[in-house]
Amino acid sequence: IQMTQSPSSLSASVGDSVTITCRSSQSISRFLNWYQQKPGKAPKFLIHGASRLQGGVPSRFSGSGSGTDFTLTISSLQPDDFATYYCQQSYSTPTFGPGTKVHIK
Amino acid sequence: QLQLQESGSGLVKPSQTLSLTCAVSGDSISSAGYSWSWIRQPPGKGLEWIGYIYHSGSTSYNPSLESRVTMSVDKSKNQFSLKLTSVTAADTAVYYCARRLEYAFSAAFDIWGQGTMVTVSS
Repeated sequence: IQMTQSPSSLSASVGDSVTITCRSSQSISRFLNWYQQKPGKAPKFLIHGASRLQGGVPSRFSGSGSGTDFTLTISSLQPDDFATYYCQQSYSTPTFGPGTKVHIK
Repeated sequence: QLQLQESGSGLVKPSQTLSLTCAVSGDSISSAGYSWSWIRQPPGKGLEWIGYIYHSGSTSYNPSLESRVTMSVDKSKNQFSLKLTSVTAADTAVYYCARRLEYAFSAAFDIWGQGTMVTVSS
């Protein structure tokens, strides 16, 4: 299953709301996870099952979608949120999206 | 608190075998509901899943790498390992080990090691 993300990068300011889209090449129900990665660091697990926040993840992060179309929304962007975000499907053998880099405007 | 730590050779010659080990601390590798994974990231690129293994030894590999990959688990040492044969420059990457947690409606990589850079070069 192929995963795509859009946009590949975006510029935003602190306080902005941003939305990242992830699409799968076939239906994956809600078997979709999101990760955040900062330069030189391992990815951090954010959301599983399309919308279920991992413990400790701020509530400004939210996920939605099912089937083939999914979104990650960060409301009121904070300085710590500038990073690259990856989606990953777990419906079949795991595959990741190419990532969306969120950088400061 | 669970921690994962990768170790192994940082430089491998082309055509040789890459070998890495992930030490698990803070929990037993035999705990139910988990499998243990390897994921890699070439410099400046995205993430690629390599495979995962259960404490029973059952494995699942990325079809694109399956012919070259072997994973094993050592319960006595609470660690698991990766071997990748016939490496080329395309295998140069940061290699992460991660715990794969199985939920009712998903399975995710919830805990990651810090990663180890492996360069394939003569």
